[in-house]
Amino acid sequence: AQKVTQAQTEISVVEKEDVTLDCVYETRDTTYYLFWYKQPPSGELVFLIRRNSFDEQNEISGRYSWNFQKSTSSFNFTITASQVVDSAVYFCALSEGLIYNFNKFYFGSGTKLNVKP
Amino acid sequence: DTEVTQTPKHLVMGMTNKKSLKCEQHMGHRAMYWYKQKAKKPPELMFVYSYEKLSINESVPSRFSPECPNSSLLNLHLHALQPEDSALYLCASSQGDGNTGELFFGEGSRLTVL
Repeated sequence: AQKVTQAQTEISVVEKEDVTLDCVYETRDTTYYLFWYKQPPSGELVFLIRRNSFDEQNEISGRYSWNFQKSTSSFNFTITASQVVDSAVYFCALSEGLIYNFNKFYFGSGTKLNVKP
Repeated sequence: DTEVTQTPKHLVMGMTNKKSLKCEQHMGHRAMYWYKQKAKKPPELMFVYSYEKLSINESVPSRFSPECPNSSLLNLHLHALQPEDSALYLCASSQGDGNTGELFFGEGSRLTVL
């Protein structure tokens, strides 16, 4: 079964619109970590945020905000006033705690965001 | 700039060639990873090294051979590859000292097998 589901394959918006990327996860562990990464065309995955399962506080960083809801197993990502530079593929990932000093990540299938001028 | 450096950025090889991909990090991380990413797909884990020991091999074919000479370096030796092995190969590292932190990724090596 898919541990991380990103149902939106591709989203297109016009610059300055707000956009929300959805992420639903599945785990039986009580301790787990959720991540968002951005992958621009250059290829590198850029870390955006990490959340642990004990911290349900929402977070805002500039135009980015994240909504973590354990009740619905969701960790959604909102970009406010989108810009062309936000165009990229965004991955949500789950790590079920630390295993012998390394993390095993489960990535969602990614959402490609196109922001048009 | 990324703190995980991968070389080469692009590689074209024939099915009989032997080549290597290299990855370097100087963040003092003790866990290093190889991922394979096909177009429009998420990264797939191949190998994990923890404290220079191979901890995970995700049933990767033996034509891919990882090596971790020291805590800063990770190599992926390639031999007798198939065209379907063409992909973006991403190296990553994490602290690996009991901290469940994020993975830091390099820009990847784009491999084409002819």
